Amino acid sequence: QKEVEQDPGPLSVPEGAIVSLNCTYSNSAFQYFMWYRQYSRKGPELLMYTYSSGNKEDGRFTAQVDKSSKYISLFIRDSQPSDSATYLCAMSINQAGTALIFGKGTTLSVSS
Amino acid sequence: DTGVSQDPRHKITKRGQNVTFRCDPISEHNRLYWYRQTLGQGPEFLTYFQNEAQLEKSRLLSDRFSAERPKGSFSTLEIQRTEQGDSAMYLCASSLGISGVYGYTFGSGTRLTVV
Repeated sequence: QKEVEQDPGPLSVPEGAIVSLNCTYSNSAFQYFMWYRQYSRKGPELLMYTYSSGNKEDGRFTAQVDKSSKYISLFIRDSQPSDSATYLCAMSINQAGTALIFGKGTTLSVSS
Repeated sequence: DTGVSQDPRHKITKRGQNVTFRCDPISEHNRLYWYRQTLGQGPEFLTYFQNEAQLEKSRLLSDRFSAERPKGSFSTLEIQRTEQGDSAMYLCASSLGISGVYGYTFGSGTRLTVV
């Protein structure tokens, strides 16, 4: 079993839909949780981050962490074609983030 | 500063040849990381520098791999005697120590194809 599991999709939705992306993990030592967005032929870019359990909202994006279930989610409201990308969850046991553990990524396609 | 720069963007090499990649981090960032990403997978950690000191290496970093960061500025990753299994995207990232886990900036990567 990998430390971080993420359904690779692909996920296809119409413009304006609400998108839910999820990861599960097995290492209870993870404290820091991040979502990265990666466009084709580009490096990942940090989208959202949360510490421990709880919700965090930033514009159309909401990140949720449920440590009791070892489950994290990213919600995208009013999805746009420009949101079409691969979304990677990442986790760290320490704030230094010296070795992030990534999920394999979920490919999202938003059609207009 | 335009972000993390990696060179070359693409490299095709024959099996058994040596290759070297370069990463120029954001100038004020003291931490530099190398990750490897294969098709359909997330990035996997290879190694990490704080200034010029290499502080952590993954088990993925076999003896054929060596990374350096002279003077704590740019970094190079060399792969000796390349194998087809080395084909991947090699990503460099940098961060400022106080930003920690939230401060990673990735480059666009070097895509290596071993034929």
